[in-house]
Amino acid sequence: SAVISQKPSRDICQRGTSLTIQCQVDSQVTMMFWYRQQPGQSLTLIATANQGSEATYESGFVIDKFPISRPNLTFSTLTVSNMSPEDSSIYLCSVSVGASGNTIYFGEGSWLTVV
Amino acid sequence: AQSVTQPDIHITVSEGASLELRCNYSYGATPYLFWYVQSPGQGLQLLLKYFSGDTLVQGIKGFEAEFKRSQSSFNLRKPSVHWSDAAEYFCAVAGNTPLVFGKGTRLSVIA
Repeated sequence: SAVISQKPSRDICQRGTSLTIQCQVDSQVTMMFWYRQQPGQSLTLIATANQGSEATYESGFVIDKFPISRPNLTFSTLTVSNMSPEDSSIYLCSVSVGASGNTIYFGEGSWLTVV
Repeated sequence: AQSVTQPDIHITVSEGASLELRCNYSYGATPYLFWYVQSPGQGLQLLLKYFSGDTLVQGIKGFEAEFKRSQSSFNLRKPSVHWSDAAEYFCAVAGNTPLVFGKGTRLSVIA
């Protein structure tokens, strides 16, 4: 398994500001992912954070709005830029581990409220 | 690309009763299937997973799930529900893209 720590766990943000969420894993992992869970909804993949290269974004998500860094195999950040109330969500970091890299574990999430 | 359907948005069961949460997937090959639980105010916890082999998989907290290829299903079961099982349950599938989640089933437990 993997232990994933996210910071901040919760925050209230002003409209128009940006916030960076940190994700730290207790072991080296190849694949890290960022998900968004809007209130009362399921999880939607934002992007795959690639170590040493640009993140791979899913349809509907762009780098200017959600820049991602992946400086090493245990750490990643997601920035939510120029926030609006529609960005109020839980943002979850996840990693894939195991021989086939197919078991996915999640952090506790970062609960953002934009006012 | 793969997809997941959880037909039941909300289920209510009595404490001590049995539980079955439904999950149907769409994927051309053998998928990797997962069930996660999200308690109120918490992140996601992995309950169990299926990759290959025995189609009945055991998970944590007394849960099990059965993979049925003919029905494209991966239903989650528990013989006796506890009040602490009240939560949101997500089925997910991984194939040629990262995890895709169902919309979730909210479980309420009554005395």
